[in-house]
Amino acid sequence: GQNIDQPTEMTATEGAIVQINCTYQTSGFNGLFWYQQHAGEAPTFLSYNVLDGLEEKGRFSSFLSRSKGYSYLLLKELQMKDSASYLCALQGNNQGGKLIFGQGTELSVKP
Amino acid sequence: DVKVTQSSRYLVKRTGEKVFLECVQDMDHENMFWYRQDPGLGLRLIYFSYDVKMKEKGDIPEGYSVSREKKERFSLILESASTNQTSMYLCASGVATGGQPQHFGDGTRLSIL
Repeated sequence: GQNIDQPTEMTATEGAIVQINCTYQTSGFNGLFWYQQHAGEAPTFLSYNVLDGLEEKGRFSSFLSRSKGYSYLLLKELQMKDSASYLCALQGNNQGGKLIFGQGTELSVKP
Repeated sequence: DVKVTQSSRYLVKRTGEKVFLECVQDMDHENMFWYRQDPGLGLRLIYFSYDVKMKEKGDIPEGYSVSREKKERFSLILESASTNQTSMYLCASGVATGGQPQHFGDGTRLSIL
């Protein structure tokens, strides 16, 4: 099975840096996705990690360590519009590209 | 841009009714998925399909069925709606190749009274 854990809620200040962690226990997976979901909207794709290391995309970066069962999403220069839920998801090795999601982390950015 | 369209944003039905949720994608994706999203539980996979007329159970298929008669359309059916099926339902589509993201519709907030 696959257990994925994320903190339920986080609060950070505008302009700061925040790290959202995702830990997992699984027998194997293709890669790890991060999605952003604003309230009442569809999840949108942020990043994908298949190899260990850091993937950088502008203000957002994502890191993966397969040996440690650990990923994080790093958000820099926080803006109020970054207030959203951040979802960590593993893609299995099976047919169909199924995703298994964590419960999501609700990030609140304060002025 | 990929467009995944769900037929309704909000829907209210009564216990025991048969409910149809429709999803259409315009990118010729092989794979389509139905999730439900509940507070504290995240997204949970109900059913998915990797080809026309093919379907696979997800983690919580009980009380649901699906239909995929055409590649672009994936329907979720609640055979006899119950109050515990009140939830946000999200449809997604994606290519068969691993490592590519799924694209989500805006969701249907379904209330069963």
